[in-house]
Amino acid sequence: DTEVTQTPKHLVMGMTNKKSLKCEQHMGHRAMYWYKQKAKKPPELMFVYSYEKLSINESVPSRFSPECPNSSLLNLHLHALQPEDSALYLCASATGGVEFFGPGTRLTVL
Amino acid sequence: KNEVEQSPQNLTAQEGEFITINCSYSVGISALHWLQQHPGGGIVSLFMLSSGKKKHGRLIATINIQEKHSSLHITASHPRDSAVYICAVRYNTDKLIFGTGTRLQVFP
Repeated sequence: DTEVTQTPKHLVMGMTNKKSLKCEQHMGHRAMYWYKQKAKKPPELMFVYSYEKLSINESVPSRFSPECPNSSLLNLHLHALQPEDSALYLCASATGGVEFFGPGTRLTVL
Repeated sequence: KNEVEQSPQNLTAQEGEFITINCSYSVGISALHWLQQHPGGGIVSLFMLSSGKKKHGRLIATINIQEKHSSLHITASHPRDSAVYICAVRYNTDKLIFGTGTRLQVFP
C-alpha cells in the first residue's frame, strides 16, 4: 500500500457544525502533515506530527484541532468554521524527506 | 516576499514542444522538490533533488546548488502534462516552503 487516503472527498458544513477529516497511510511513515490550499495558491502548512506527537503548529486557529490516534491515522477536527475556511485540505506523510500527498478533502463552509 | 520564486507563472505550449520551468531560492537548502498538481486534484511528488540531475521518463530535473536554481524540463510535451508544477524547498526542518506554481497548458 503506497498511498495516502483521505475521507471524505467533499464536505459541506455550516458554521455551527462539528465535522472531522480523516487521513490514513500504511507506509510506516512517521511524519504526517495537514495543509490548507486555497484556489490558485500553493499549499499552506497547518500542522506536522512526528512520531505521533505534534511538532509544528503554524499558528492555526483553535477551530481546527488535529489528532494523531496512531502512526497510521491523522484526523482534523473542525468546529465553528468560517466561510473563509473553505479550501482543499491536503494530508501528507513523509519518509526520507519525500512527501506523499493524499487527494485532499474539498471543504465548503456555508 | 516568497523565498521560492518560480517562472513563468503561466505557460502554454503545443504538443511536442520542449518545456522548461525555473525555480530559484534564497538560501542554502537540504533538498528541493518538484511537485505536480492536476486541476482539483491532489499533489504528486515528481522529484527530490539535493544535487545534480534526475530523469524519469520525459521529465528531467536539474539543480545548481551554487546558483540556488533548479529547472524542470518536459520533453515531447503532451496534453496530459497540463497541470500546475510546484517547486518546494526544505531548509533542514520538517517544513516545505512552496513556490507559487507554474500553470502549464499543452494544446494538441
